[in-house]
Amino acid sequence: KNEVEQSPQNLTAQEGEFITINCSYSVGISALHWLQQHPGGGIVSLFMLSSGKKKHGRLIATINIQEKHSSLHITASHPRDSAVYICAALYYGGSQGNLIFGKGTKLSVKP
Amino acid sequence: GAVVSQHPSWVICKSGTSVKIECRSLDFQATTMFWYRQFPKQSLMLMATSNEGSKATYEQGVEKDKFLINHASLTLSTLTVTSAHPEDSSFYICSARARPMGSGRFSYNEQFFGPGTRLTVL
Repeated sequence: KNEVEQSPQNLTAQEGEFITINCSYSVGISALHWLQQHPGGGIVSLFMLSSGKKKHGRLIATINIQEKHSSLHITASHPRDSAVYICAALYYGGSQGNLIFGKGTKLSVKP
Repeated sequence: GAVVSQHPSWVICKSGTSVKIECRSLDFQATTMFWYRQFPKQSLMLMATSNEGSKATYEQGVEKDKFLINHASLTLSTLTVTSAHPEDSSFYICSARARPMGSGRFSYNEQFFGPGTRLTVL
């Protein structure tokens, strides 16, 4: 069964802390997305990666294909980073690009 | 990135009425659009996949006669919830997969999400 597991489920941090959110998947994938969902519900695509590492501002996403694991890091966290972070995998054979979503990690950054 | 809009952002309707939700890719052409539903504190669940000019493919358990999808152009897909009932109340989100371009602007399988539409059926 194709699954995506995230940890932790909830995360509270102090402003300025370094944050790591983990995502593991069960079989080979062709791409992995990291998404951000704010309390209002809207979703923003942060990264799509299939190997290596990507960086955008204070956000870094890495993926280890052999270990079937990806991490999202936030450096110098800020209260505005508070949101639900979701990883989503596109499995080989997934028809037309539909994604399998993790349950999300709820991040709360306190000032 | 690229911009996907949804309209309306929220809607309240009476039971038995139909509601149409639009999903538009504003600055790119979308080969495929996806419709998701998200209940409170749950993951997004794919409802259907639509390609421009062809019939949508529905996921198991999603009634195609209840959730009508029209993908009339490379920038517009609509989801119509027919005869809505309170159990249809949910957050509906679309995403669009961009047509890869020679400029390298988009990667294959890169999807962009709309802001979502919150439907409340009374």
